[in-house]
Amino acid sequence: NAGVTQTPKFQVLKTGQSMTLQCAQDMNHEYMSWYRQDPGMGLRLIHYSVGAGITDQGEVPNGYNVSRSTTEDFPLRLLSAAPSQTSVYFCASSYGAGSSGNTIYFGEGSWLTVV
Amino acid sequence: GNSVTQMEGPVTLSEEAFLTINCTYTATGYPSLFWYVQYPGEGLQLLLKATKADDKGSNKGFEATYRKETTSFHLEKGSVQVSDSAVYFCALGSNAGGTSYGKLTFGQGTILTVHP
Repeated sequence: NAGVTQTPKFQVLKTGQSMTLQCAQDMNHEYMSWYRQDPGMGLRLIHYSVGAGITDQGEVPNGYNVSRSTTEDFPLRLLSAAPSQTSVYFCASSYGAGSSGNTIYFGEGSWLTVV
Repeated sequence: GNSVTQMEGPVTLSEEAFLTINCTYTATGYPSLFWYVQYPGEGLQLLLKATKADDKGSNKGFEATYRKETTSFHLEKGSVQVSDSAVYFCALGSNAGGTSYGKLTFGQGTILTVHP
């Protein structure tokens, strides 16, 4: 079972470069989301989607863009990388709203460093 | 707004010791509460959950009881093992405000290290 697959696992970017973090899930989940994890701050929601063609902003959306053209894929785009975007990024998916008790499945994380 | 406060870490214990990680929350309405665990180099996994007051979530020897009167959801385990070394996150889920997504709010995480 693949679950939630993120690529790349590690990436170093220069300030101003753009890149896309890929996320795919094979569980036919409607809900997908991107979080960033920073030391001492837990996980913060960047963007989320409740189905193909539907996306919305989370807590910290600035500097990031998403789209959801299929149920399976939910890529995260960094438009112009800044050192403040150095973080660990997690993609997650669930059958229903995680807040209602549905189990959220997380990818293994993508370590991004912006220099 | 919603918030989750976890006890400061890191926590270091010897094998077979008793574990408590405190978690308190602030929320409107009736949130669901969760503990997630993150093993080194991996993503988060759901450890246990409770969706209403006085519910007890349990898994792998860990337990937590949803206490509405004290707004707490403390994680406990009677006898920890080296394999329990990980980062533990308390989280709150609320559908208040009519959002269809239902955002999860995470605490800052507590690092647990268990020595043989």
